[in-house]
Amino acid sequence: KAGVTQTPRYLIKTRGQQVTLSCSPISGHRSVSWYQQTPGQGLQFLFEYFSETQRNKGNFPGRFSGRQFSNSRSEMNVSTLELGDSALYLCASSFGSAGELFFGEGSRLTVL
Amino acid sequence: AQSVTQLGSHVSVSEGALVLLRCNYSSSVPPYLFWYVQYPNQGLQLLLKYTTGATLVKGINGFEAEFKKSETSFHLTKPSAHMSDAAEYFCAVSAPRGGYQKVTFGIGTKLQVIP
Repeated sequence: KAGVTQTPRYLIKTRGQQVTLSCSPISGHRSVSWYQQTPGQGLQFLFEYFSETQRNKGNFPGRFSGRQFSNSRSEMNVSTLELGDSALYLCASSFGSAGELFFGEGSRLTVL
Repeated sequence: AQSVTQLGSHVSVSEGALVLLRCNYSSSVPPYLFWYVQYPNQGLQLLLKYTTGATLVKGINGFEAEFKKSETSFHLTKPSAHMSDAAEYFCAVSAPRGGYQKVTFGIGTKLQVIP
């Protein structure tokens, strides 16, 4: 069974640009969560999607948005990039009711 | 509300020494508890989990953790550290909220293994 796939793995953008990150969950998993990881802040929860509906959202500005498609693949978008958006963005999928998460390897975004 | 506290953002141990990473949680309902490990430039992978049943849980790579309800703790241990254990470890709690499980992570503990 293939794991969680995130693309791209690395990207460099400049301030003011926007970026879209993609996440393909494990087959059969309907829940996808996104996290931002930075050295100083640890893992910060962005949002979670289940069956194309956002059912939980973290405390991030509106520049951060996401969506989920009917095949459970998810994208997140960050508009008007700021230097502080430089981070590792992690996607995780889950299937069962216990809350166990399966993570992708992340997309490392650098904003110059 | 639920929360996770990991004591010590950085822990150093000598190779062959006991590894002890501390995790305390708060939850208004019986939680599920997890430890994840993250190697550099990788995502998180599950080390072990407690859902119900036996309170001593064994995971991969020789790690184990014990759920102690009275102490609201779920500390991670390994009898003998190996160089390959150097990584960041995250404790997480999952509890039901609005019909699904809400997952909360601790801040993480970086483990350094000294040869």
